[in-house]
Amino acid sequence: KAGVTQTPRYLIKTRGQQVTLSCSPISGHRSVSWYQQTPGQGLQFLFEYFSETQRNKGNFPGRFSGRQFSNSRSEMNVSTLELGDSALYLCASSLAGYYNEQFFGPGTRLTVL
Amino acid sequence: GIQVEQSPPDLILQEGANSTLRCNFSDSVNNLQWFHQNPWGQLINLFYIPSGTKQNGRLSATTVATERYSLLYISSSQTTDSGVYFCAVVGSNYKLTFGKGTLLTVNP
Repeated sequence: KAGVTQTPRYLIKTRGQQVTLSCSPISGHRSVSWYQQTPGQGLQFLFEYFSETQRNKGNFPGRFSGRQFSNSRSEMNVSTLELGDSALYLCASSLAGYYNEQFFGPGTRLTVL
Repeated sequence: GIQVEQSPPDLILQEGANSTLRCNFSDSVNNLQWFHQNPWGQLINLFYIPSGTKQNGRLSATTVATERYSLLYISSSQTTDSGVYFCAVVGSNYKLTFGKGTLLTVNP
């Protein structure tokens, strides 16, 4: 079974731009979660989607948004990029949610200049 | 929200040594996982262990949910074991909350 995939793997943007990251979960998994990892804040939860609905949300500004499609693939969008948005963005999938084992993708490394 | 504390923050070993990593959490949990983050950033699943004991080769883990801690044991460490080990839990807020990790360095 293929693992979680994320595209692109690396991205360089400038302040003020917007960016869209993509995540394809493991086949059969219906829950997709997104995390941000920075040296200062560690790994922080962004949001979780299940059956195309956002089910949970972390403490991030509204510039961070996401969606999930009917095939469970998910995208997250960051608008009006700031230098502090530079981070590794990780996506995780699970069968049905947090009580199940989470499997992570390789991540997208975003650099904002 | 739930607090997760990992200790020690840093650990340096010689190849062949054994080690124990600890994860304390502040509330009851429904999910607990141990991960190893490789140099490229990917989180590799080690154990899904909300309670009890599991073993996988040189690695084993024990979670005592009633006392709110989990332990990860690494025996006969190898240089390839180097990296950051994370404990992550799900409490009543339904979010996977990570500790700050333990940076393990295994020297040849």
